[in-house]
Amino acid sequence: KQEVTQIPAALSVPEGENLVLNCSFTDSAIYNLQWFRQDPGKGLTSLLLIQSSQREQTSGRLNASLDKSSGRSTLYIAASQPGDSATYLCAVTSDRGSTLGRLYFGRGTQLTVWP
Amino acid sequence: NAGVTQTPKFQVLKTGQSMTLQCAQDMNHNSMYWYRQDPGMGLRLIYYSASEGTTDKGEVPNGYNVSRLNKREFSLRLESAAPSQTSVYLCACSGGGTEQYFGPGTRLTVT
Repeated sequence: KQEVTQIPAALSVPEGENLVLNCSFTDSAIYNLQWFRQDPGKGLTSLLLIQSSQREQTSGRLNASLDKSSGRSTLYIAASQPGDSATYLCAVTSDRGSTLGRLYFGRGTQLTVWP
Repeated sequence: NAGVTQTPKFQVLKTGQSMTLQCAQDMNHNSMYWYRQDPGMGLRLIYYSASEGTTDKGEVPNGYNVSRLNKREFSLRLESAAPSQTSVYLCACSGGGTEQYFGPGTRLTVT
């Protein structure tokens, strides 16, 4: 069964720092990997989607990389701001027959950026 | 264009009561999903529907039933609520193998 792990579970940094969130998964048979953001009491907002054939995706100050063979992804946030404070979730879409299309989530990294 | 909407936003039930959570999407996506989100457990898939007229069990289907009423709507029913079903319920849709888009969630408390 696919297991997705996110490290660290929580991170607190001062404004302006560049930071890296890590995600690892146990089964490399994935269709894609998604990074989400969740604000307290809200649903999930998709940040970046990386197809299994891609190595990275960028959106503004966010850059996500994918190393499918080693089962790892990182989310890089440049010049962090207090508005980046949220929980960041990593999820992989299974490419394996019996679970095709299912999303498996990590437990998230709770990020606090203080002024 | 509202994306994915869920009703109600909040609900308190007593043990043994029943209710239906509603989800609707205007993105014309084929696939829809119901998840529950619990502290320390992450998101877990309850049921999903790959297309109108089909539904399949996810990781934690016990105690729930679903109906894919049409392409837009996917409802989740609790026939006899239990305290263990206290959770945040999230509905999502996707175009199949692509990004999933989530609703704002329903916060359910069962006493």
